[in-house]
Amino acid sequence: QQQVKQSPQSLIVQKGGISIINCAYENTAFDYFPWYQQFPGKGPALLIAIRPDVSEKKEGRFTISFNKSAKQFSLHIMDSQPGDSATYFCAASIRDSGYALNFGKGTSLLVTP
Amino acid sequence: GAVVSQHPSRVICKSGTSVKIECRSLDFQATTMFWYRQFPKQSLMLMATSNEGSKATYEQGVEKDKFLINHASLTLSTLTVTSAHPEDSSFYICSAGPTARGNYGYTFGSGTRLTVV
Repeated sequence: QQQVKQSPQSLIVQKGGISIINCAYENTAFDYFPWYQQFPGKGPALLIAIRPDVSEKKEGRFTISFNKSAKQFSLHIMDSQPGDSATYFCAASIRDSGYALNFGKGTSLLVTP
Repeated sequence: GAVVSQHPSRVICKSGTSVKIECRSLDFQATTMFWYRQFPKQSLMLMATSNEGSKATYEQGVEKDKFLINHASLTLSTLTVTSAHPEDSSFYICSAGPTARGNYGYTFGSGTRLTVV
């Protein structure tokens, strides 16, 4: 059972545009919400993460928005660049489980020149 | 900092043989390592959690006798796929932590592409 639902499955954005990926969860015990970027044939790399006591976190061009009441969180990539073309995964975990990650299904992002 | 090395990056083996994959934390001590499996164009699925010095905890549906995990030290965990079959062909990825970034920091290895022929 997919504990974290991610959309869209794929996304095409023009260079300079904003890429938005959304995730939703059901388990209110989740207390850590990271986003990962994965290039083909490589392991995922942590982009940015948030805890539920914060509604927004920004690091460079990447912003997480978190809505605890709606049990949703999203990744915004500002000024998207062709080098951002990759697969993005949202995830959620519980501290007491040792932070084993429950991943969304992933979003394949293509940024066109 | 917080580098995780996974070896080999790709391996091809014959059906029925066993393959060992290593996951090393190079610049920190990892009390916990996770092993994930990823099929093409799909998400990562947690296979097992290993804590140093303890037996691994396997997720439901993962055969512990087929996927042997050893976490003998704070810097090394191994996954051995025993009696491999073509359906075991997949991308296996480990993650290790917590890193110096705090309890929330876990770093992924670069993955191992296993092909069973």
